[in-house]
Amino acid sequence: QLQLRESGPGLVKPSETLSLICSVSGGSIRSTGHYWGWIRRPPGKGLEWVGNIYYNGSPYYNPALKSRVSISVDTSKNQFSLRLNSVTAADTAVYYCARLMGVTEADYWGQGALVTVSS
Amino acid sequence: QSVLTQPPSVSGTPGQRITISCSGSSSNLGRNPLNWYQHLPETAPKLLIYTNTQRPSGVPDRFSGSKSGTSASLAISGLQSEDEGDYFCSVWDDSLNGWVFGGGTKLTVL
Repeated sequence: QLQLRESGPGLVKPSETLSLICSVSGGSIRSTGHYWGWIRRPPGKGLEWVGNIYYNGSPYYNPALKSRVSISVDTSKNQFSLRLNSVTAADTAVYYCARLMGVTEADYWGQGALVTVSS
Repeated sequence: QSVLTQPPSVSGTPGQRITISCSGSSSNLGRNPLNWYQHLPETAPKLLIYTNTQRPSGVPDRFSGSKSGTSASLAISGLQSEDEGDYFCSVWDDSLNGWVFGGGTKLTVL
């Protein structure tokens, strides 16, 4: 059974960089036809797409975050990661990593990681 | 302001059938397949419906999706208390060049 798990600091200071890793087990991140993505949900708000990546391709980013976000894959560790620069309180959210069957069909999700931006 | 419009809330009693609407435009629903996600409290979101009408393995047939033009809907029949949570429609938007979600609909089972 495929499992995903997010890890990283739960507290980040304003203007600093948010970094999260998604560890994939029970399957390969090189799986053909599957994308890997990050989605977040701020408190009291809805789901928001952050970005997707294919294991050997270029990432896709939410245009609203594109100038601050970076997603990369480490196939040797079966992991993919998220970096979000210059964070503000508006970036406080539960961040989920997910496997996608296509570009928008996320069929496996991590349990989520709450990241709070505060000084 | 979401590019996909959903009602903020809907409610029903156990056993009842409810529907949740999702309205978009020609750049998203009008040309790309729609997915529905269920997000229950203290859990990860779950893919409920993909490609407009398809249910992933394990999703009960109480859940069904439909789409026509730039509108879609999710129907839940035989409503159960454990269905209470948030429901989101989502689609790729060709104009924004990104994956977008509706604002979400909170389902309350009375």
